Amino acid sequence: DVKVTQSSRYLVKRTGEKVFLECVQDMDHENMFWYRQDPGLGLRLIYFSYDVKMKEKGDIPEGYSVSREKKERFSLILESASTNQTSMYLCASSERGNYGYTFGSGTRLTVV
Amino acid sequence: DQQVKQNSPSLSVQEGRISILNCDYTNSMFDYFLWYKKYPAEGPTFLISISSIKDKNEDGRFTVFLNKSAKHLSLHIVPSQPGDSAVYFCAASVDSGYSTLTFGKGTMLLVSP
Repeated sequence: DVKVTQSSRYLVKRTGEKVFLECVQDMDHENMFWYRQDPGLGLRLIYFSYDVKMKEKGDIPEGYSVSREKKERFSLILESASTNQTSMYLCASSERGNYGYTFGSGTRLTVV
Repeated sequence: DQQVKQNSPSLSVQEGRISILNCDYTNSMFDYFLWYKKYPAEGPTFLISISSIKDKNEDGRFTVFLNKSAKHLSLHIVPSQPGDSAVYFCAASVDSGYSTLTFGKGTMLLVSP
């Protein structure tokens, strides 16, 4: 069964900490995405990558960075966590040119 | 500026009846549209899609209709089942080569027995 795996289901971090959210896919997909989901706001694109070491900003990249050193792994980094980054973070992957994403189960991050 | 709008936060339907979820968009460059379904504590799953060159796409109980002139699409579920209770997200894309999607806020569908 193909899947996208997010390393943590729940995380609690302190304000100012550097936070790493990890995502791994086993489908050899070229595209990987990070979205955050907030009540009343839907899913918003933070960053995406269309190839190893390639990254592009999405709609809300401020306060975040990403790393894609290997095709299967896409990491989201919160450089200095703030309370307004408390959210559900969803990783997804897709084949090049394909809009049918496979999503992970999400990481619920709470910044206190 | 919200480019994909789902104006109904929730919808309640009885089992066996039709569920109609609506979505409006403002960007005339969108050329591909999708619906995703999300259960609590799970990631969204792809449900059905439609290209802008079509006005209807059907897959089993699910049909998506596209009205380009009105910039409106809808998802019909017939007959509705309690297992269809979930949040439904409308999404749209511009053919930029990057396969990025713009999502709506979602509509929570509750199908009661």
